This record gives sequence, C-alpha cells and structure tokens, in this order.
Amino acid sequence: AQSVTQLDSHVSVSEGTPVLLRCNYSSSYSPSLFWYVQHPNKGLQLLLKYTSAATLVKGINGFEAEFKKSETSFHLTKPSAHMSDAAEYFCVVSGVGNTPLVFGKGTRLSVIA
Amino acid sequence: GAGVSQSPSNKVTEKGKDVELRCDPISGHTALYWYRQSLGQGLEFLIYFQGNSAPDKSGLPSDRFSAERTGGSVSTLTIQRTQQEDSAVYLCASSLGREWWNEQFFGPGTRLTVL
Repeated sequence: AQSVTQLDSHVSVSEGTPVLLRCNYSSSYSPSLFWYVQHPNKGLQLLLKYTSAATLVKGINGFEAEFKKSETSFHLTKPSAHMSDAAEYFCVVSGVGNTPLVFGKGTRLSVIA
Repeated sequence: GAGVSQSPSNKVTEKGKDVELRCDPISGHTALYWYRQSLGQGLEFLIYFQGNSAPDKSGLPSDRFSAERTGGSVSTLTIQRTQQEDSAVYLCASSLGREWWNEQFFGPGTRLTVL
C-alpha cells in the first residue's frame, strides 16, 4: 500500500526567502510522485511529477523536487518565495496497476511581505 | 480551452435530502475520478471510471453514495439521505487514461454543506 506524510501542516516564509515543503512516502512499488498546488477557490494544478527518469524534477513557477530513495523523501523547494506562491500544496503517490492516487493532507504555505 | 467543469459550485442542503453533483470532464479523457476534500484533510478517493469498464467503487464511504457516467462523458455523483459529515468539497478529475503517468486535471469542486 502507498502512503504519504506531509510533515508540516503550515509553513510561513518571507517573500524572497527559500521554500521547503517536506514529504515522505511509503510504497511497496517503485513509486510515482507528484506535487499539486491548490490556490484559494481554484482547482488543483500539477506542479511537477517524478517518473523515475531523473531524481531532480523541475516544475512550473520555479519549483523543484528531489526524489531520495534512501530517505523515502520527495521534498518540494523553491529558491525565492513570491506572494503568489501562497496556497495549499499536496504531495501525492501512485503505485503501479490500478491503485488510485494517494494524497497527503496538505501543507498551507503563507508568504509574508 | 475547456477544462473540467463541475456544477453546482456550492450546494446547501438539509440533512436527509438527496443531492446530485455533476462533472463534465475534458473532451477525449477516458478516465474520470471523484474525490472528497474535508476540512484539514487531504483528498479522499471515492470512485473511478475508465472507459466502458466497471467503475472502481472502492473508495465510496457508504451505500448512500453512488455515481454514474453516461456515454463515457458526463458523470453524476449522488448522495442519498445526506448527513452532516458529508459536508465537504467534492472534486472531479479527468485524465487521458488510467496509467499513472497521465496527469489528472481537476475541476474547481462543489462545496456541499449539509445543515
């Protein structure tokens, strides 16, 4: 069975400082991992996905994530936060076959001017 | 281009009433998913449709919940005899296929409030 744990329910950073949103996963298979973002009153949008091609994955809006098998982690980072990054972020895991996507509980990112 | 649309955007109902939530997937997407997002929780998988195959209903929380997908396109999620714990945002997503590499595109959701 697959599961994800987002280690922080809320992260607050100042504009222009780095962002780190932590995610650990558990999977019986070689996992596929995703980060989705949800802005207020908007649908979920895919930020990036790991599909075993490269351990460092670059996504939209300057975000990237690194797959570390030894640490079972897939943390999301961005060098410099922007006010528009304030949103809810979800780490997601999928195994092979017909298993549905499994979402973490989300991390709310606040960006302070 | 048209994305996934859902209606209504908000629904307020009384306990015990039935509700229907609608999802229009992206044209050409064969896979359609329903999720529930409760306050402070992640997304909970409810049901999944793939083409003409029997749906995967493994996530439905009770037999009060059902869904259908007519003509391989529009889907309706029905909740009978609603309870207050059914209050949540119901999200629909579609993708080109079921394979894990197919990105799921989400609609804006229907916020259901059961009084």
